[in-house]
Amino acid sequence: QSALTQPASVSGSPGQSITLSCTGTSSDVGSSEFVSWYQQHPGKAPKLMIYEGSQRPSGVSSRFSGSKSGNTASLTVSGLQAEDEADYYCFSYAGGSTWVFGGGTKLTVL
Amino acid sequence: QVQLVQSGAEVKKPGASVKVSCKASGYRFIGYYIHWVRQAPGQGLEWLAWINPDGGDTKSAQKFQGRVTMTRDTSIYTAYMELSGLRSDDTAVYYCARVFRGVLMDVWGQGTTVTVSS
Repeated sequence: QSALTQPASVSGSPGQSITLSCTGTSSDVGSSEFVSWYQQHPGKAPKLMIYEGSQRPSGVSSRFSGSKSGNTASLTVSGLQAEDEADYYCFSYAGGSTWVFGGGTKLTVL
Repeated sequence: QVQLVQSGAEVKKPGASVKVSCKASGYRFIGYYIHWVRQAPGQGLEWLAWINPDGGDTKSAQKFQGRVTMTRDTSIYTAYMELSGLRSDDTAVYYCARVFRGVLMDVWGQGTTVTVSS
């Protein structure tokens, strides 16, 4: 099972909107309703930001939104804030009771 | 409150095995699967396996099949992940995470650093 493909880095200025992509195949992202996104700050455990493609857990800012089209899932962060600077990972069901992460994207707020 | 508390850091020699524990509190242990995830230094997250604390059934990533064993002790609300045949590239922080509704990880342990070095 290969890792899902994410851009290594994305940057944006405060107040801007950015979109992080997560590309898989028809065997994972393309056929899964269960794509989630995790934020990780240095030295910390990951934190759930989006689940089931577009659902936001309570307590997560509405500035975070998710979507999916074909084999690509996306996480959009609007109104960028300094605290959004972190690594972001997508995670998808991959069939056969297995799961797979993306390689991660480092988001830099300029 | 709901939390997962993992065992402390380990240093192992190549070829040895390591067993990491993950103790649950604040919720019904057998009601939620546990995922195991690792992160090598400077690298991304990697999914290893899951265990169903209720029935004890497990599933691991193909990469780790034959090397990873997940068990649980329901009497003390603890899940275990044992990795054998350790290599230097198994050096990583190992996390356990509660699986909510079968599809998302909502509570994470603090991580256990495993260092493999001769």
